[in-house]
Amino acid sequence: KNQVEQSPQSLIILEGKNCTLQCNYTVSPFSNLRWYKQDTGRGPVSLTIMTFSENTKSNGRYTATLDADTKQSSLHITASQLSDSASYICVVSAVNSSASKIIFGSGTRLSIRP
Amino acid sequence: DTAVSQTPKYLVTQMGNDKSIKCEQNLGHDTMYWYKQDSKKFLKIMFSYNNKELIINETVPNRFSPKSPDKAHLNLHINSLELGDSAVYFCASSQASGQGSKSSLHFGNGTRLTVT
Repeated sequence: KNQVEQSPQSLIILEGKNCTLQCNYTVSPFSNLRWYKQDTGRGPVSLTIMTFSENTKSNGRYTATLDADTKQSSLHITASQLSDSASYICVVSAVNSSASKIIFGSGTRLSIRP
Repeated sequence: DTAVSQTPKYLVTQMGNDKSIKCEQNLGHDTMYWYKQDSKKFLKIMFSYNNKELIINETVPNRFSPKSPDKAHLNLHINSLELGDSAVYFCASSQASGQGSKSSLHFGNGTRLTVT
């Protein structure tokens, strides 16, 4: 069964600190993995996308890693800011000859405290 | 300039009513989607349209019917609303069809539907 599991479910850190969010997936055949940021009351916005051959991708203070062998990804946020408070959703795409699917994780709710 | 816009942002209605949610994208994308985000925050695809043609129809009650007058619009009509329909509904678009493509999804800001 195709699944995407994220941990922790929620996280509170102080402004300026770093943090790492985890994503484990059991999706096959794997196509790509994306991290999205969803602010409260808004739609998700894409942060990074990685294919099978890419093991790291950065977008400003956000760095995503991918280990396709262990089927794990992480999102590292450096020097957190109050505006980083949001839900972070891991999304994995599966593609075969007849169909394609996107499977969403339930997200990690990150709160940054001043 | 809002890329994907959906209206209304909030919708409160009674059981049994029929309602519509509108979505428009000005990105020139070929594919549009409707997703439902439940109370546990999982996003689940409902429908996908490519150039006004339905290409994905997940297991959704037939009370839900998408309408695509042109490739920039995908509206969602819901008949005989039920309590379990309460959720946030997101419209999205992407350049390429097929959810496995590398083209990112661009989401609207959601419509929070509350059925009483």
